[in-house]
Amino acid sequence: KQEVTQIPAALSVPEGENLVLNCSFTDSAIYNLQWFRQDPGKGLTSLLLIQSSQREQTSGRLNASLDKSSGRSTLYIAASQPGDSATYLCAVADTNAGKSTFGDGTTLTVKP
Amino acid sequence: DGGITQSPKYLFRKEGQNVTLSCEQNLNHDAMYWYRQDPGQGLRLIYYSQIVNDFQKGDIAEGYSVSREKKESFPLTVTSAQKNPTAFYLCASSKGRDQPQHFGDGTRLSIL
Repeated sequence: KQEVTQIPAALSVPEGENLVLNCSFTDSAIYNLQWFRQDPGKGLTSLLLIQSSQREQTSGRLNASLDKSSGRSTLYIAASQPGDSATYLCAVADTNAGKSTFGDGTTLTVKP
Repeated sequence: DGGITQSPKYLFRKEGQNVTLSCEQNLNHDAMYWYRQDPGQGLRLIYYSQIVNDFQKGDIAEGYSVSREKKESFPLTVTSAQKNPTAFYLCASSKGRDQPQHFGDGTRLSIL
């Protein structure tokens, strides 16, 4: 059974700092890995999706990497801003199970 | 604008009552999903459907039921058999199981 772990559970940084969020998974038989942002009481907003054949994806200040062999993905946020404060979740789409498994998320606070 | 609409935003259930959560999408997506989110946790899959008139149980299907009679609609019924229904319920859709998932804004269900 796929298990997805996100470390740390919470992170607080000063504005302007670069930061890395981590996601690890136990089964490398995946279609893709997707990073989401969730604001309090809201649904999820898709940030980046990396297909299993890709190594990284970039969107603006965000860069996500994928290392299937080690079961790891990172989300790099450059020059963080207070508006980046939210919970970030990763989800892995399993080829075997045909569904996605989510981590518990990392709650990021960027202080002005 | 294309998107996913969940209603109602807030819902209250009495003991012994079944309630139905609505999810409608106009993205022409084949796949639809229902997730449950408890405080401080990630998402857990309840049911999913890859095509009309077909659906599969997720990890926590007990006490829930779904139907998929139309491509655009995937309603979730929380039955009286679900003893701990208080949670945030999220609906998602995608073109296929290897494509990005798009989420609605969620329904918060509480017990009276």
